[in-house]
Amino acid sequence: EIVMTQSPATLSVSPGERATLSCRASQSASSNLAWYQQKPGQAPRLLIYGASARATGIPARFSGSGSGTEFTLSISSLQSEDFAVYYCQQNNNWPYTFGQGTKLEIK
Amino acid sequence: QFQLQESGSGLVKPSQTLSLTCAVSGGSMNSGSRSWSWIRQSPGKALEWLGRIFVNGISDSNPSLKSRVTMSVDMSKDQFSLKLTSVTAADTAVYYCVRDSSGIAEDWGQGTLVTVSS
Repeated sequence: EIVMTQSPATLSVSPGERATLSCRASQSASSNLAWYQQKPGQAPRLLIYGASARATGIPARFSGSGSGTEFTLSISSLQSEDFAVYYCQQNNNWPYTFGQGTKLEIK
Repeated sequence: QFQLQESGSGLVKPSQTLSLTCAVSGGSMNSGSRSWSWIRQSPGKALEWLGRIFVNGISDSNPSLKSRVTMSVDMSKDQFSLKLTSVTAADTAVYYCVRDSSGIAEDWGQGTLVTVSS
C-alpha cells in the first residue's frame, strides 16, 4: 500500500500569516490526493481533492499543489477557525491511505 | 449534501463481532458513481479506510483487516452496514460512515465510538 508521510507533525503559525503543510507518498499517487481538516470532536471535512481542486464551500485561502509523490497544502492569511489537524489521503491505489496528520496551532 | 448517521453497539467484548449501520438521507444512494465506505480513527492514531461498497453490492476491504470485514447495503432502507469479526482492543476506535466518490470522502457521519473491552 502507499504510505503517506506528513510534515511537520506540529506547525505553529500566527493568525494572519501563511501556513504550508507537506505530504509525501511512498510511490506515485498521480494527482489523486485529498486534504481534510479535522477539529476536536468532529469528523474530518474535505478541503481539497485532485491535489488542487477546492471542495464546495471551501474558502479561496486554501490551496493545494503537487503531483506524483510530493504535495502541499497552503493556507494564506490564517483565520482563528483554521487551527486544526490536517490530513492528506491518496485515492490512487486501493487501499486508500491517510497521512498521520499535521496539527496547526496558534503561535 | 448527504447526511449520514451511524448506529450500533458502543461496547463489544473481545473476540465478538462489531456491527454498525449507517442511515443515509438527503439523496438517493443509487445515483451517481459513488460508493459507501467505513473509516475509523483509533485514539491518538491516524485515519484508516476499512472498506467500501458499491450500490451493486460489490465491496472491497482493506487487506490489513485479514478478511474480518463484511459490508452490505440495503437500498430499500437507504442504509449500509459493517461487520467486523474477532475484535480485539486494537479495534477500539471512532467509526465513521462516509459517502465517497472514487475515493474522495465527501460526506461524513458524526462518528460513533466503539470500545472493545470485557
